[in-house]
Amino acid sequence: DVKVTQSSRYLVKRTGEKVFLECVQDMDHENMFWYRQDPGLGLRLIYFSYDVKMKEKGDIPEGYSVSREKKERFSLILESASTNQTSMYLCASSQRLAGALSSYNEQFFGPGTRLTVL
Amino acid sequence: GQNIDQPTEMTATEGAIVQINCTYQTSGFNGLFWYQQHAGEAPTFLSYNVLDGLEEKGRFSSFLSRSKGYSYLLLKELQMKDSASYLCAVPLTNTGFQKLVFGTGTRLLVSP
Repeated sequence: DVKVTQSSRYLVKRTGEKVFLECVQDMDHENMFWYRQDPGLGLRLIYFSYDVKMKEKGDIPEGYSVSREKKERFSLILESASTNQTSMYLCASSQRLAGALSSYNEQFFGPGTRLTVL
Repeated sequence: GQNIDQPTEMTATEGAIVQINCTYQTSGFNGLFWYQQHAGEAPTFLSYNVLDGLEEKGRFSSFLSRSKGYSYLLLKELQMKDSASYLCAVPLTNTGFQKLVFGTGTRLLVSP
């Protein structure tokens, strides 16, 4: 059974704190993603990684950084948490695309971390 | 740029059929995904369409018209457990890492 796990379901932090969100997948997937989900805005991509030590900015990378030292683990770091980073954070992983027209690589999501910054 | 539109909320009755629409505008097309997300849970994959037409998977079917930039998810014989948000998403690239752009989702409420 495929599995993406996230370190915490709920997290409360104070403004200015450094926050680490961890994500681990056991499917040997090359690609990993971090999203945040807010009411009315849907899922927005923060960062993604397509290989160990490789990272690419998504649509809203400001205020975040990431780390991928091992294939199975992708960490999201909030360098100095702010109240506007209060959100649901979702990690996902997928295989590298095979390349055929009809092939696709569905993303498997973790359960999410609801972060509140006070 | 990319733009995906879905209705915000729909209601339906148990046993009925409901159609959730999604329109998209993208530069290039690499297929379209539908995901289901129950409240407080992770999104889970429902379907992927890359060619025009209807793909059926049990009670759920997904339709795509590339010329119209339009897709719909059809749910038959609705059950209470189908109450969830349904997310339409398009990949921006056909490269190995298929970055997805999601619509804001349609919340479906199924009543008895």
